[in-house]
Amino acid sequence: AQRVTQPEKLLSVFKGAPVELKCNYSYSGSPELFWYVQYSRQRLQLLLRHISRESIKGFTADLNKGETSFHLKKPFAQEEDSAMYYCALSMVTDKLIFGTGTRLQVFP
Amino acid sequence: DVKVTQSSRYLVKRTGEKVFLECVQDMDHENMFWYRQDPGLGLRLIYFSYDVKMKEKGDIPEGYSVSREKKERFSLILESASTNQTSMYLCASSYPWRNPGGGHNEQFFGPGTRLTVL
Repeated sequence: AQRVTQPEKLLSVFKGAPVELKCNYSYSGSPELFWYVQYSRQRLQLLLRHISRESIKGFTADLNKGETSFHLKKPFAQEEDSAMYYCALSMVTDKLIFGTGTRLQVFP
Repeated sequence: DVKVTQSSRYLVKRTGEKVFLECVQDMDHENMFWYRQDPGLGLRLIYFSYDVKMKEKGDIPEGYSVSREKKERFSLILESASTNQTSMYLCASSYPWRNPGGGHNEQFFGPGTRLTVL
């Protein structure tokens, strides 16, 4: 079955440290992968998608089909990056399958 | 500005009550979605609508129904609320994914309704 796995419920780092939020997926076809973010008291919003190959707020994510991974990375974390991050998979449909989420805490 | 609104931010209901959660979008999106958001479980799709009067079950439709009489409005109905339906409910909308080369369209989310069933 199609699935998105985010193994870490909580990731805590200090400001300026590198961040990597892990995401693995299971899907035999050609996936589209996304990262959504929810800041405190704000609505869930798209952060980035793999087909765009862009960096948003310093975050990047590379789709690795061999390892079926789409990890989110940032070289230097900022306090304003503290949020809930969800990895999501689209299987060539309108629907998304979301992971269970990782809460990122960035300490000053 | 893109907007998805939900009728209530907080709602408290009693077991057995019929509950209506309303969602309205002003972006002329064909697709609308209802999710539950629970700690440790992430977002789970309850129902999905791809057009007026059209609906499709998601992963956890039991105990819920939906209504979409107008394109901009998608309602989630709890016929007889139970305590295990206490949760955060998120509505979202998007354009349809049509072109295989075009990719998936972004889902825009509402602020959420935190429902407590006593």
